[in-house]
Amino acid sequence: GDSVTQMEGPVTLSEEAFLTINCTYTATGYPSLFWYVQYPGEGLQLLLKATKADDKGSNKGFEATYRKETTSFHLEKGSVQVSDSAVYFCALTGGGAQKLVFGQGTRLTINP
Amino acid sequence: EAGVAQSPRYKIIEKRQSVAFWCNPISGHATLYWYQQILGQGPKLLIQFQNNGVVDDSQLPKDRFSAERLKGVDSTLKIQPAKLEDSAVYLCASSFLGYNEQFFGPGTRLTVL
Repeated sequence: GDSVTQMEGPVTLSEEAFLTINCTYTATGYPSLFWYVQYPGEGLQLLLKATKADDKGSNKGFEATYRKETTSFHLEKGSVQVSDSAVYFCALTGGGAQKLVFGQGTRLTINP
Repeated sequence: EAGVAQSPRYKIIEKRQSVAFWCNPISGHATLYWYQQILGQGPKLLIQFQNNGVVDDSQLPKDRFSAERLKGVDSTLKIQPAKLEDSAVYLCASSFLGYNEQFFGPGTRLTVL
């Protein structure tokens, strides 16, 4: 079945550092790919998405590019802030199904 | 626009007791999902409704879990009887029909003692 593998956490960085969180997937067909973020005490929020190969999703300074050849959707940000501290989930929908298949999540902590 | 509402936000019960969670989706969203998120893991789909019909309940433990969505709006998820391993956050999400962008509620954190 479809699956998502994320970089193990937790990840701790200093403010203004460069961020990469790796995500790879296994899916039949052509999935849509997502990054969701869960801030402390809040629900899951969609951060960005890409629906076809070579698409780049972006939001709030975060970017991720749908790479079909490497089955990856790595999340990047050039300069992180303390407010980016959260748990980040990579996910996909595919095979005609609308259900989201999530990775295990990566906890990110940014120190001032 | 109001988001997905869930209640209660927290629930503590003893094993073998029953519990129910309620979800009110965003107005106009025909598709409703219940996910289970165990600590340290990503959410896992339990059941998906389209209007008031079930689309996917393949991962719902039907011997103890049940869900309904009467009139195609609100939904209730029930666990009876609860086990220790049911301790998790139960997330409700909704989307427009045919759209893959889902909007999540704040979740209900269940602790089974």
